[in-house]
Amino acid sequence: SAVISQKPSRDICQRGTSLTIQCQVDSQVTMMFWYRQQPGQSLTLIATANQGSEATYESGFVIDKFPISRPNLTFSTLTVSNMSPEDSSIYLCSVDRTGSYTEAFFGQGTRLTVV
Amino acid sequence: AQTVTQSQPEMSVQEAETVTLSCTYDTSESDYYLFWYKQPPSRQMILVIRQEAYKQQNATENRFSVNFQKAAKSFSLKISDSQLGDAAMYFCAYRSSYNTDKLIFGTGTRLQVFP
Repeated sequence: SAVISQKPSRDICQRGTSLTIQCQVDSQVTMMFWYRQQPGQSLTLIATANQGSEATYESGFVIDKFPISRPNLTFSTLTVSNMSPEDSSIYLCSVDRTGSYTEAFFGQGTRLTVV
Repeated sequence: AQTVTQSQPEMSVQEAETVTLSCTYDTSESDYYLFWYKQPPSRQMILVIRQEAYKQQNATENRFSVNFQKAAKSFSLKISDSQLGDAAMYFCAYRSSYNTDKLIFGTGTRLQVFP
């Protein structure tokens, strides 16, 4: 299994500011995934981050709003930029079981509240 | 595009009883994976069980089993001998074997377990 550490676990931010969420994995992985879970709703993929290349964003998500870094095979960051109350969500980092996509592991999530 | 539907926003069960959570999905693909994930209040997403579409036999993991009906595109989760620790949000998820980049989640079912 993979152990994923995500920081911060929660934060309350002022609108117009930015927050960077960190995701650290205890093993090297090719792809890291960032999901958003809006209050009372399901998880939606924001983007897929490969080491050494630009992140691939899903429809409805743009790099200017959610810039992602992937400096090495165990670490990634997601920034939520110019926040508004609509960005209040849980953000989760995820990786696949090494060599397989039959199981995804998740971090404990970052609960973001924008006021 | 693939979709996953969970028609039961909330379910409840008495401790030691059995409960079934429903999930239907829509896809034109023949090869894919289906998952049930549990999200307790800690927010940690935990894999409960998975099913490969090419396998006719229903997956079983201890007290958890699925009823996979490929033709009907149905994938229900049965929890036997329910325990208080089973209380959580349960998400059904789909992953294509052709485009493995993301999990597609249903909207979730909140399961309450009463003593």
